Amino acid sequence: SYVLTQPPSVSVAPGKTARITCGGNNIGSKSVHWYRQKPGQAPVVVIFYDTDRPSGIPERLSGSNSGNTATLTINSVEAGDEADYYCQVWAGGSDHWVFGGGTKLTVL
Amino acid sequence: QVQLVQSGAEVKKPGASVKVSCRVSEYSLSQLSMHWVRQAPGKGLEWVGGYDLESGNTVYAQKFQGRVTMTEDTPTDTAHMEVSSLRPEDTAVYYCVAEGTRGTREFDYWGQGTLVTVSS
Repeated sequence: SYVLTQPPSVSVAPGKTARITCGGNNIGSKSVHWYRQKPGQAPVVVIFYDTDRPSGIPERLSGSNSGNTATLTINSVEAGDEADYYCQVWAGGSDHWVFGGGTKLTVL
Repeated sequence: QVQLVQSGAEVKKPGASVKVSCRVSEYSLSQLSMHWVRQAPGKGLEWVGGYDLESGNTVYAQKFQGRVTMTEDTPTDTAHMEVSSLRPEDTAVYYCVAEGTRGTREFDYWGQGTLVTVSS
């Protein structure tokens, strides 16, 4: 089965850059979507199709995907960015849709 | 803007079944690709099942096959998910989700979630 691996936690000071990785076998050949989830709320798409941002998501958030790693980058981190972030791919076959385990972003 | 409104919280005993509903508004259910995702307390997101673009059928994650049934009532724009033979580890928030209309298949629209508690 296809597995996506994320670090359980990432900590960053306000104003710095946070990078959240999502590892998977040849993930660069798949389209990666990223979700942000705040406590008690449903997830929200922040990046889709590797690099695209939905309307309302600031340019500070960006995505990349190559080889075995996809990355969500958040520049000039703010307190409001503190949340859980999940990557997702369509793995195909019997796996269908797969989520990463999630990364808790803490703003110091 | 697609809106998804789910039915209320449920408490069930082990071995029972539960049916969760998800009403679509501001769009037609027949035009959406629907999925269900669950999240156990303090845990991550887990895809349960949903529309398969390749086959045009509803498909389920392997661990749920035989225990989960997803249906759609298009006249009322309501999707349903039934889970049978409930176990305590099925305790979770269950979300209905619709793919976006851009064609890039991200899970764009989420219901508010329905907490299903399985306890004796």
